[in-house]
Amino acid sequence: EPEVTQTPSHQVTQMGQEVILRCVPISNHLYFYWYRQILGQKVEFLVSFYNNEISEKSEIFDDQFSVERPDGSNFTLKIRSTKLEDSAMYFCASSSAETYGYTFGSGTRLTVV
Amino acid sequence: AQKVTQAQTEISVVEKEDVTLDCVYETRDTTYYLFWYKQPPSGELVFLIRRNSFDEQNEISGRYSWNFQKSTSSFNFTITASQVVDSAVYFCALSIMNYGGATNKLIFGTGTLLAVQP
Repeated sequence: EPEVTQTPSHQVTQMGQEVILRCVPISNHLYFYWYRQILGQKVEFLVSFYNNEISEKSEIFDDQFSVERPDGSNFTLKIRSTKLEDSAMYFCASSSAETYGYTFGSGTRLTVV
Repeated sequence: AQKVTQAQTEISVVEKEDVTLDCVYETRDTTYYLFWYKQPPSGELVFLIRRNSFDEQNEISGRYSWNFQKSTSSFNFTITASQVVDSAVYFCALSIMNYGGATNKLIFGTGTLLAVQP
C-alpha cells in the first residue's frame, strides 16, 4: 500500500536554528498538508498546499514557517528560527480528490533545546 | 466554524470488555467526512475509518463498529471484546468537502486515551 514518507523521524535542534522537515507524499496525490501535535495534545492543522501554492494556513503558520515542493516528489516544511515551543511531532499528509484517501506519514519528532 | 468534541479524556477497561468512544461534531456544511484515527504509543496516526455525510449506515470491521447519527451529530466508535493491543489514543476528525479541492483540512478532537488492562 502506498505510504507517505517523512524524514528524519527525530530531529534535535538548538533554539534559533533553521530546520527543514521532509516528506514524500503518495505519488498520485495532489493535496499536501502539514499538521503539528504538541506532546499530549491534539493534532492541529498547519497548512495545506495544492497546485504549487498554499491553499489554506492556520494561525500557527506564521512567518517563521514556509512550505515548498522543490521537485516532483518532495514536500518540505521549514521553520526559520526555532523556538522551544516548536517542539512537537510534525505530520505530513497527502490526499486525493478522486478517492478522498487521506494518508499521514509516521511523523517527525522535533525537539528544540 | 467546525468543531469536534471527544468528551472522554481517558477510559480504562479490562480486557474483553466492550468500550464505546464518543465523538460529537459541529458543522453547518451538509457535505463532510468523518474519520477515526488510532495513535499507538509509537506515535503514528493509523487510519481506521472514513464516512461521508450522506452515508448513515453503521459499519462493522471485525471487532470495530461505528455508529453515525446525523440527528445528534455523533460518530461513535465501539470496540468489542477489547484487547491490550487496543490501548492507544483515538482521535475523531472532521473534514469539509470542498469541491474546489483546495482545502480539505482535518479538524481533530482532543482524543481519548484508551487503556486496556490485562
